Amino acid sequence: KAGVTQTPRYLIKTRGQQVTLSCSPISGHRSVSWYQQTPGQGLQFLFEYFSETQRNKGNFPGRFSGRQFSNSRSEMNVSTLELGDSALYLCASSLDIALSGASTDTQYFGPGTRLTVL
Amino acid sequence: DAKTTQPNSMESNEEEPVHLPCNHSTISGTDYIHWYRQLPSQGPEYVIHGLTSNVNNRMASLAIAEDRKSSTLILHRATLRDAAVYYCILRDIYNTDKLIFGTGTRLQVFP
Repeated sequence: KAGVTQTPRYLIKTRGQQVTLSCSPISGHRSVSWYQQTPGQGLQFLFEYFSETQRNKGNFPGRFSGRQFSNSRSEMNVSTLELGDSALYLCASSLDIALSGASTDTQYFGPGTRLTVL
Repeated sequence: DAKTTQPNSMESNEEEPVHLPCNHSTISGTDYIHWYRQLPSQGPEYVIHGLTSNVNNRMASLAIAEDRKSSTLILHRATLRDAAVYYCILRDIYNTDKLIFGTGTRLQVFP
């Protein structure tokens, strides 16, 4: 079974631009979560989607948004990029707690997209 | 905010056991203890989880204190490939797929 894939793997943008990152979950997984990883703040939860609906959201400004498609693939968008948005953006998929039970629900992470904002 | 406390770093020699501690003094009855690790240049990967009893799988063992306020991840024979940052995470049984990562423990393994 193929793992979580993220595209692109590397991206360079300039301040003020916007960017869209893509995530394809493991086949059959319906929940997709996004995380931001920076040296200063570590791994921080951005948001989670299930059945095309945002089910949970972290403490990030509205410039960060996402969506999920009917095939469970997800995209996240960052508008008006700032230097501080430079980070590794990780996507994770899981079956769903309702189906698998919270005690065993495992998140499977992709390799991430390294975004550099100049 | 993360509700766990871990040492910033630990060292081990190859083929020796490693005990990675985690304190979670404010753990609630519905919190499961999960461990993930992040190898260099990769996304985090699941290692093990437990509620009250000690757990074993092919990767590691998890020892949970009787009062559940601390736990220890045990790698029985460390290999160079085990060099990673290990995260101890509490997940509420009613939580959705949100993992709250702390700073983790960076494990160095020497040949």
